Amino acid sequence: DGGITQSPKYLFRKEGQNVTLSCEQNLNHDAMYWYRQDPGQGLRLIYYSQIVNDFQKGDIAEGYSVSREKKESFPLTVTSAQKNPTAFYLCASKQGYTEAFFGQGTRLTVV
Amino acid sequence: AQKITQTQPGMFVQEKEAVTLDCTYDTSDPSYGLFWYKQPSSGEMIFLIYQGSYDQQNATEGRYSLNFQKARKSANLVISASQLGDSAMYFCAMRVGNFGNEKLTFGTGTRLTIIP
Repeated sequence: DGGITQSPKYLFRKEGQNVTLSCEQNLNHDAMYWYRQDPGQGLRLIYYSQIVNDFQKGDIAEGYSVSREKKESFPLTVTSAQKNPTAFYLCASKQGYTEAFFGQGTRLTVV
Repeated sequence: AQKITQTQPGMFVQEKEAVTLDCTYDTSDPSYGLFWYKQPSSGEMIFLIYQGSYDQQNATEGRYSLNFQKARKSANLVISASQLGDSAMYFCAMRVGNFGNEKLTFGTGTRLTIIP
C-alpha cells in the first residue's frame, strides 16, 4: 500500500541530546514537509523540500535540521539548540496541486 | 506573506444540525489552493475538501462543502447533518507558490464538538 510512514511513534529525549525523526514515503511525491503541533495548537511549518538535495526553512526552523538525500526520505533532526522540543511532529508529502498526505506523527518528549 | 486565520477556537453543535467553520486567508499570489483537514483525537490528519483559486464553483464532497468567497478571502467549511463522529479538530490550510516551490500553511484550528 502507498503511504507515508513516520517512526518512531513515541520518542523520549534527554536534555542536550540530538534526536532524528524518520519520514519515508512510497507515493513518488516530490514535495515533503515537516510540521510541529503543540497541544491545542495548529500546525507550524519547520522545513519543506521540493526536490532531492534541496530544502527551505519554514516558519520555525531554528533548532532543527533536515536532509533530502533520497526522494522517499526526509528525516528531521531535533538538535540540542531547540529549547522546547516537546511536541507532536507531523510529516507530509504532496505532488502538484493536490492534497498533502500525512504520516501518523511522532510524539517527542524531553525527559 | 501568506496567512490563514481561524477565529473559532471551539464550537458546540447539536447532532444533525449543519455547522459552518470559518476560515479567512491572506496572500498576494493569484494562484493558490485551500484545503480543509480533520484531526481526530488519534492525531492523524484526514483530508476533507479542496478549492483552487481559479475554480468557479464551490467544492463539495459528500456532507462537506466549501463556501468560497474570493473577494472576501474566505473559505468556510460547511458540514451538513452533523454526526457524533464529526467531533474533532478542523484545520484550514493554504498552498501558495509555483509548482515545484510550494508552501503549505495551516491555521490554528477549530475544535468541533457534536452534542447528542
